[in-house]
Amino acid sequence: NAGVTQTPKFRILKIGQSMTLQCTQDMNHNYMYWYRQDPGMGLKLIYYSVGAGITDKGEVPNGYNVSRSTTEDFPLRLELAAPSQTSVYFCASSYYVGGDRGFGPGTRLTVT
Amino acid sequence: GIQVEQSPPDLILQEGANSTLRCNFSDSVNNLQWFHQNPWGQLINLFYIPSGTKQNGRLSATTVATERYSLLYISSSQTTDSGVYFCAVEETSGSRLTFGEGTQLTVNP
Repeated sequence: NAGVTQTPKFRILKIGQSMTLQCTQDMNHNYMYWYRQDPGMGLKLIYYSVGAGITDKGEVPNGYNVSRSTTEDFPLRLELAAPSQTSVYFCASSYYVGGDRGFGPGTRLTVT
Repeated sequence: GIQVEQSPPDLILQEGANSTLRCNFSDSVNNLQWFHQNPWGQLINLFYIPSGTKQNGRLSATTVATERYSLLYISSSQTTDSGVYFCAVEETSGSRLTFGEGTQLTVNP
């Protein structure tokens, strides 16, 4: 299994641009998550999904959107990028609530 | 929401030394994980340990769920152990993993 994969690894956006961060897992996990990590800080939950077609907000959802049309994919959409969204974004998955979380390698995003 | 406190915030060791990192949490949990974030930013899952004790080579962890804390032990530290160690917990009532602020470990040769 490849586990959790994320693309792209790095991206630079200009203020106001939009982009989609891709996340895919091949472990048939029901639960998927998006986190952001600002410099020197722990990770904060943006959105999560408990299964295809179901998503919910985390601690810091403003400025982001998600969708979950399949079990495998959980893309994160940034609309109208702002400098405050400069961060490293991690996707994670688990088989059940309370289960072991596996994390992807992260996407480093800079908004200038 | 649940509060997660890690200590110490920073730790500097000489290679070969042992260390103990602590994680306190404010509510009952059904998931507790220890992660190592290496200097390249990669998050490595060390332990899934909502209760009990586990060992993996030079690392071991103990969670005492009834007293709401977990300990990560690193023995015979190596320079490659450097990085940030995060504790993350999930409340029994929710499906969100909440991270502590981490312990920055530096192991000098």
